[in-house]
Parts: sequence; C-alpha cells; structure tokens
Amino acid sequence: NAGVTQTPKFQVLKTGQSMTLQCAQDMNHNSMYWYRQDPGMGLRLIYYSASEGTTDKGEVPNGYNVSRLNKREFSLRLESAAPSQTSVYFCASRQGSLSTEAFFGQGTRLTVV
Amino acid sequence: AQSVTQPDIHITVSEGASLELRCNYSYGATPYLFWYVQSPGQGLQLLLKYFSGDTLVQGIKGFEAEFKRSQSSFNLRKPSVHWSDAAEYFCAVGYGSARQLTFGSGTQLTVLP
Repeated sequence: NAGVTQTPKFQVLKTGQSMTLQCAQDMNHNSMYWYRQDPGMGLRLIYYSASEGTTDKGEVPNGYNVSRLNKREFSLRLESAAPSQTSVYFCASRQGSLSTEAFFGQGTRLTVV
Repeated sequence: AQSVTQPDIHITVSEGASLELRCNYSYGATPYLFWYVQSPGQGLQLLLKYFSGDTLVQGIKGFEAEFKRSQSSFNLRKPSVHWSDAAEYFCAVGYGSARQLTFGSGTQLTVLP
C-alpha cells in the first residue's frame, strides 16, 4: 500500500526553467493538496483540489499551476522557476472533511539556482 | 483568518524527561486541532487530533494533548521522552467552513542521551 507518492524526490532547476511535480495517491481520496515547507514557516498551502475536476488557490499560489488529472493524480507546475521557489514540496490527500486524517508524501526537495 | 502559533522553535530534553510542546490558535469557532510529527527526510505523520468531546486526547507513540478553550491552546505532552522522538512537531488547525488546515511553524525537538 503505497499511500501518497511524489516524484521526483530531488530536483535542481535553473532560474526560468519549468518543471512539473507529480503526486499520486492510491487510497481513493477525494481531496488533494500541495504544500511548501520553508524553515521557520511551517507548511503553507499552495493549491488544493476538493474533488476531481476542481482546484482552488491556497495561501501562496503565485508562480504555480496545478492539474487534477484524475482522482489519483494531482500535479504542480512551475512555469518559470525562481530562487524564491526553492523549498520542500509536500503533497497530501484525505477522504472527505477536515475531520479525517491527511496523508502526506515524502516530499520533493527543489533547489532553484 | 485562522492562525496557529508554536512559540518554541527548538526544545531540548533529556531522554526519560517529560515533554510539553505548546500550540495556540486564533479564531472564535470550535476548531479541529491536530499534531503531526516529521522525522528527517520524511513526510508528516498524524500523532493525534481533536474535534469535540473529551478535551484530553490520546495519540500514537504515547503522546497526548489537551484542548483548553479558555486559553486557545492545544499543547502536546509525553511523560517520558525516547531518543526516537527527536523530530519536528507541527500543530495544525482547521474549521468546518474551511477546506484546508493551517500549520504552525513547527518545534524542533532534540533528545539528549
């Protein structure tokens, strides 16, 4: 039972390059989330998808786009990477409301030089 | 807007000592409250959660937390810390009207032998 799988685990980009972070969950969850984690700032929500076909902005959406490809997959795209986007990115999923547990992937460590 | 404060950035305790990690939240409604733990290089794992009912909740790994409405707090405790508890701990809050959690900035726990 894989849970939430993120790829890649590590990535180095040059400023201006684009890339897509992939996330897939095998728990049949409706809701999926993308967070970024920066030192001293905890996790901040970038985008989320409450159900297949819907996406909403979180706290820090600028510079990112997302696609909820199907119920399993939720990708995060950086169109033109900037050094300020150097961070650790986490994908999470949950079934239903906030009362249910969110499951997290192991993270993608992204460095933009 | 909902917010969470973890006033202690870093705490050091000796193995076998007791532990209390502080968490304060803002907002008026009854929140959903969570504690997550993150081991190095890993995603977040749920320790415990509170929605309603008994204000003292038990979690995994011997942790417990107490919800105090009058103090807007949800502090995490453990009577006797083990070396394997060294990790970063995050408090998170959500409300029924919201669709996502807000995380605190985290507390890094170091355990001395």
